[in-house]
Amino acid sequence: GEDVEQSLFLSVREGDSSVINCTYTDSSSTYLYWYKQEPGAGLQLLTYIFSNMDMKQDQRLTVLLNKKDKHLSLRIADTQTGDSAIYFCAETQNTGGFKTIFGAGTRLFVKA
Amino acid sequence: EAQVTQNPRYLITVTGKKLTVTCSQNMNHEYMSWYRQDPGLGLRQIYYSMNVEVTDKGDVPEGYKVSRKEKRNFPLILESPSPNQTSLYFCASSLGRGYTFGSGTRLTVV
Repeated sequence: GEDVEQSLFLSVREGDSSVINCTYTDSSSTYLYWYKQEPGAGLQLLTYIFSNMDMKQDQRLTVLLNKKDKHLSLRIADTQTGDSAIYFCAETQNTGGFKTIFGAGTRLFVKA
Repeated sequence: EAQVTQNPRYLITVTGKKLTVTCSQNMNHEYMSWYRQDPGLGLRQIYYSMNVEVTDKGDVPEGYKVSRKEKRNFPLILESPSPNQTSLYFCASSLGRGYTFGSGTRLTVV
């Protein structure tokens, strides 16, 4: 069935790189996304990648997509305390509609 | 400012008392969706709409209704709320590449 899985927690030191991983099951996914949720707020779209791409870079963020393994990762370079949040992986399925499936979210802790 | 506005932000109600959570977007987006967020479960889609008068069930539609009479509004209706509908609800809209989310409505049903 349809599923998006992420590890629940990640802890890094300020200045290090963070890598948040995600696996998905639907090979017909068209877009894959990373969202950030800060306490008390809604989700904010960070970046997305189309399914025919392998990599996308946007300032400190690098998204890698391995379609063969259905694995998506988000790398945050030079992680700052302001990056502490929950990060959600999501996929939009190619079902003719706009069904988007979210993972459970990875809580990133950044230690000063 | 481009945004999705939900109201109310917080609501405590009693079992069985009908309620509506409003959602409005000012970006002329075609797609709108409702999600609920529960600890350890991430976001689960309740209903979505691809355009005016076009709605479809998500993964957890039971106990909810929606309507899309005009493009900007997509209210979520709980006809007879129950305690298992206590959750954090998000409305979101999109043109097709990623959603813009509202700030959320925290609903408690006692």
